[in-house]
Amino acid sequence: SQTIHQWPATLVQPVGSPLSLECTVEGTSNPNLYWYRQAAGRGLQLLFYSVGIGQISSEVPQNLSASRPQDRQFILSSKKLLLSDSGFYLCAWKRDGFESEKLFFGSGTQLSVL
Amino acid sequence: GQNIDQPTEMTATEGAIVQINCTYQTSGFNGLFWYQQHAGEAPTFLSYNVLDGLEEKGRFSSFLSRSKGYSYLLLKELQMKDSASYLCAAMDSNYQLIWGAGTKLIIKP
Repeated sequence: SQTIHQWPATLVQPVGSPLSLECTVEGTSNPNLYWYRQAAGRGLQLLFYSVGIGQISSEVPQNLSASRPQDRQFILSSKKLLLSDSGFYLCAWKRDGFESEKLFFGSGTQLSVL
Repeated sequence: GQNIDQPTEMTATEGAIVQINCTYQTSGFNGLFWYQQHAGEAPTFLSYNVLDGLEEKGRFSSFLSRSKGYSYLLLKELQMKDSASYLCAAMDSNYQLIWGAGTKLIIKP
């Protein structure tokens, strides 16, 4: 069976510090991978998605970047965090080639930038 | 533009029935999803509709009318554990999901 791991679960960082959130998927190959941010009272905002190693599409220009160094690993990074980067970050995957299939989400990271 | 509307919050009584509505406007349409999200947790898949009509899964049912850009999630025999946010998401012609802000459902004994 497939599983998705996301860490850390919570993170408190000062403004201007770097960020690295990691997500890995097990039990499948060549998944489509996604990073979302969820702000209170707002819908999920797609930040990045990837259809393969080294292939990253950015949906929203911002202070964040993403990388996919391995097939089942997706990393969200920032060099200098802003207050506005606070939120609940979710990694998700779905099977490649099944465009209308459901997403499977990781457990999320609550990021507080102070 | 693309948009999803759903109520912010609803309250219902344990054992009762509740209907959560969702209206959408997207560029093309490739289906509508409902997810359940407990506070501080990941969303989990509930249902997917791409054709008009009602899909039933145990206590939960989901309805779609493509001509009206409208869907609802029907929860029967409500239990306290159903207290959660319910997210509506429509898939556009590029297979991108457009998400609503979610409906927080409060169940009272």
